[in-house]
Amino acid sequence: EAAVTQSPRNKVAVTGGKVTLSCNQTNNHNNMYWYRQDTGHGLRLIHYSYGAGSTEKGDIPDGYKASRPSQENFSLILELATPSQTSVYFCASGDAGWGGFAEQFFGPGTRLTVL
Amino acid sequence: SQWGEENLQALSIQEGEDVTMNCSYKTYTTVVHWYRQDSGRGPALIILIRSNEREKRSGRLRATLDTSSQSSSLSITAAQCEDTAVYFCATDWEGTGSKLSFGKGAKLTVSP
Repeated sequence: EAAVTQSPRNKVAVTGGKVTLSCNQTNNHNNMYWYRQDTGHGLRLIHYSYGAGSTEKGDIPDGYKASRPSQENFSLILELATPSQTSVYFCASGDAGWGGFAEQFFGPGTRLTVL
Repeated sequence: SQWGEENLQALSIQEGEDVTMNCSYKTYTTVVHWYRQDSGRGPALIILIRSNEREKRSGRLRATLDTSSQSSSLSITAAQCEDTAVYFCATDWEGTGSKLSFGKGAKLTVSP
């Protein structure tokens, strides 16, 4: 059974609208992550969290907010969506690991199109 | 950027051939992750190599890590059609133990 799930799987939004992408994990991992994936850029980290109530900025946080209300749930919020935010978004979870050894487990992705 | 100059590589081979994918990074790391992403799915870890290992094998996969040249490679022996995927290397270059930086990836296509 899938341990990291995302909803919706596909979303079409209008420019200036608010978009919320949701992620749920059953791995009981402390850390959760939001990435976007664009051709030619690989995976880029937007926001991440060390646990419920915590959010941290990743490498490309501008235009995004994050919310971690519980161990299991992590949301990515686009308050004013723009066409440049059209992308595939991945959520991941992982344990804190010394020395970078912690594996990350990814969800299936959400394809967002902003018109 | 943490990564050497690279664009998304595209590799096409025939079934049964061997293939090697490379990545180079700019900042010291103690571990390199290799992830595989199938079409329409999220990435999944396939092999992880630590700085004291230099080489690690898992089935038909072989990863190497050269900390002196700051580079890693992933080799697949006798590739099969089901090896078709995008392969990413990733490092914890900030040493946080929690954040990974992903390379741009190599798209491998294996034809029958």
